[in-house]
Parts: sequence; C-alpha cells; structure tokens
Amino acid sequence: SYVVTQPPSVSVAPGQTARISCGGENMGSKRVHWYQQHPGQAPALVIYDDSDRPSGIPERFSGSNSGDTATLTISRVEAGDEADYYCQVWESSSDPSVFGTGTKVSVL
Amino acid sequence: EVQLVESGGGLVKPGGSLRLSCTASGFTFSAYAFNWVRQAPGKGLEWVSFISSSSSYISYADSVRGRFTLSRDNAKDSLYLQMNSLSAEDTAVYYCARPVADYSTGLAYWGPGTLVTVSS
Repeated sequence: SYVVTQPPSVSVAPGQTARISCGGENMGSKRVHWYQQHPGQAPALVIYDDSDRPSGIPERFSGSNSGDTATLTISRVEAGDEADYYCQVWESSSDPSVFGTGTKVSVL
Repeated sequence: EVQLVESGGGLVKPGGSLRLSCTASGFTFSAYAFNWVRQAPGKGLEWVSFISSSSSYISYADSVRGRFTLSRDNAKDSLYLQMNSLSAEDTAVYYCARPVADYSTGLAYWGPGTLVTVSS
C-alpha cells in the first residue's frame, strides 16, 4: 500500500511560519488534503485538493504539492494553531485512501 | 446546517460484530459520497471505507476488507457500517465524514464519532 510520511513534530514561535511535509512516491500526481485536530475533537479540513481552502479557514493556511512532497504552510502562527495535522492522499476517488502519520505542531 | 451523527458503538467481545450508523441532515444526502475514518486511542487517523453517492462504488482499507461492509440508504439519509470478526485492533473512535463538495474528496464535515471497544 502507498506509504505517506510526515515529521512527528514541528515547533514554531508565534508569528513565525510552520511548514509540514507529507512525503510519498510521486505525491504530486495525487490529490492531497490537510486536517487539523485539537485534542478530543473531530478533525477539521484546512486545505483540500492540494491548495484550496474551505470557507472559514484563514488565508494563513496554504498548501502546495509537487514531486514527492506536499506541504502545508501556516503563516503568522498563533497559539490556537497548536494541534495535530494530518495529510490525506487520494490517487483517485475510486481508490482507497491513506492518511499520513500526523505531525504535532507546538507553538513555543 | 450540515450535521452527521454516528451511533451504534459500544463494547463487543473479540470475534463479535457491531453495526454502526451515521444519520445526516441539513443537505441532500443522496448527492454525496461518504467515508468512515477511525482513530485508535492515542493514535493517528486511519481511513476505513468509501461509498459513492449511488453505492455504485465502495472501497475499503486493507485492514478491514472482507470483514467490514459499508452501505447506505438514501431514502433514510443514513450510512451503515457492518463490522464482523472484530479484534482489539479495531478499537477506535469511528467517524463518518462528508466531502466539502461533490467534486472533491476532502472531508469537510465530520460527526462527533462513536467509540468501539473490542475487549473480552
């Protein structure tokens, strides 16, 4: 099955930029979505189809995808951004999907 | 307002079966595909299953294929996940989730989840 790799943790100071990678073979050919999950809550979609933002998600959240890596970028990080972040990869809507291993973002 | 509510979780013995339901409201249920995603205690998210809007296509994770069956009743705005031959590895919170739009697979709407515990 397709293997997706994320760094276990990322630490960032308030106001700085956090970048979370999601790696896999030929990732750029697949659709990638990103989720934020706070403790005890259901996940929340923050980026879909590589780089689109759902309504209500701040412009500080952006996404890109090329080569073997998709990246979620959080600009001007705030304390409330501290959470677990997961990428989800789809080859196509007819194929099984897979989540990345998750990245814990800590705001210093 | 889009709402999804899972039910049917609980404690089941290894080898047993359980049927989860997900009831939707606030949108045209029959227009959307749905997914089940689970999360074991203290672990990450695991995609479980997908069903297309008309049930014409259903896919499963390798870990549940052959044991879980996903179905839907568009007349009742409901999804059903039949889980058989359960083991401790199936212990998790199970979420049903709907895409942000009919052209995307990004899951924008999630239920609160229902806990399944497999233990003797």
